[in-house]
Amino acid sequence: GAVVSQHPSWVICKSGTSVKIECRSLDFQATTMFWYRQFPKQSLMLMATSNEGSKATYEQGVEKDKFLINHASLTLSTLTVTSAHPEDSSFYICSARATVDYEQYFGPGTRLTVT
Amino acid sequence: GQNIDQPTEMTATEGAIVQINCTYQTSGFNGLFWYQQHAGEAPTFLSYNVLDGLEEKGRFSSFLSRSKGYSYLLLKELQMKDSASYLCAVRDSNYQLIWGAGTKLIIKP
Repeated sequence: GAVVSQHPSWVICKSGTSVKIECRSLDFQATTMFWYRQFPKQSLMLMATSNEGSKATYEQGVEKDKFLINHASLTLSTLTVTSAHPEDSSFYICSARATVDYEQYFGPGTRLTVT
Repeated sequence: GQNIDQPTEMTATEGAIVQINCTYQTSGFNGLFWYQQHAGEAPTFLSYNVLDGLEEKGRFSSFLSRSKGYSYLLLKELQMKDSASYLCAVRDSNYQLIWGAGTKLIIKP
């Protein structure tokens, strides 16, 4: 099946710094990628949807200037958490969709801890 | 608004059968998905229903009734490794996935 990778799998950073998370579709081209955030014992929360070559669409309540998303190629999307704060500590998961079919392929997630 | 309801937690016995229900109210409907998520891991795809009826895949089956806005995931011959959260998600008219909060399934020996 289709494989999506994320890097890093976990990261610890200091408050005020920025962190970049990469999401790659390894064996297919992803026209659309999704970024989710999941806090402990809660469900997935969609942060934004990005289509290759265009600006990301952010969900209500998600600050686009804080969570910068770049989807410059059909196999790579990046999420940069700028000026991170402890409340940004969470599990960030990306998923990729190749065409308008029914399945999203999830990356393994990145656990971010901000100290 | 859009809403997906599923039980918060269920407990079942190893070897038994369990049914996890999901009801939904969404803006349009383009399919219903079930995902499995183990703690600390990303979700993995289990099943997809877009037409009414039962889809069977090994020990797992998923049922859909669009007129009732209802689905269930049926797990047979439960194994300890089935202990996980099960997420119901509906794709709406904009092809966005709307997620339920997940059902934590606890399997006891």
